Amino acid sequence: NAGVTQTPKFRVLKTGQSMTLLCAQDMNHEYMYWYRQDPGMGLRLIHYSVGEGTTAKGEVPDGYNVSRLKKQNFLLGLESAAPSQTSVYFCASSYGGTASGELFFGEGSRLTVL
Amino acid sequence: GQNIDQPTEMTATEGAIVQINCTYQTSGFNGLFWYQQHAGEAPTFLSYNVLDGLEEKGRFSSFLSRSKGYSYLLLKELQMKDSASYLCASMDSNYQLIWGAGTKLIIKP
Repeated sequence: NAGVTQTPKFRVLKTGQSMTLLCAQDMNHEYMYWYRQDPGMGLRLIHYSVGEGTTAKGEVPDGYNVSRLKKQNFLLGLESAAPSQTSVYFCASSYGGTASGELFFGEGSRLTVL
Repeated sequence: GQNIDQPTEMTATEGAIVQINCTYQTSGFNGLFWYQQHAGEAPTFLSYNVLDGLEEKGRFSSFLSRSKGYSYLLLKELQMKDSASYLCASMDSNYQLIWGAGTKLIIKP
């Protein structure tokens, strides 16, 4: 099994451009999450989903949108990229939410906004 | 406010023992997680404590004191492959994870 797969792994954008990060999981997990990881800071939750067709805001949702049209996919969109969105983005999934135990993370997508 | 504190960096010797501390202040508490993250890779789950005490899992053990808002991760018989960042995360009353910035562990031969 592939687990959690993120595409693309690397991307460079110019300010104002848009892009979508794709996360796919093959573990039939209900919960999916998008985090960003910045130097000297802990992982910060952007948006999450508790099931197909549902999304919810996390700690730092501004400037991002998400969609969960299929259970196995969770898309993160940047409508108008800003340099402050330069970061490493991690997707994660879990069967029953954080209270049920571990999160399974993808390998990360490194985004640079110039 | 919610806060997780852990040392930024630690150095230890191959074969030795190291203890990585984590203190937390969160709105409510529903458990404490430890994850390992090698440079450029995804975090991977190590342990989850919700009750006070020590839980051992091979060379790794994790301890929790809810009354003190304190946890530690103990790594024994250190190997070079243990060089990584160790992330502490507390689950608050809304079951949201609050993450520390991570402790970078450097293992020297």
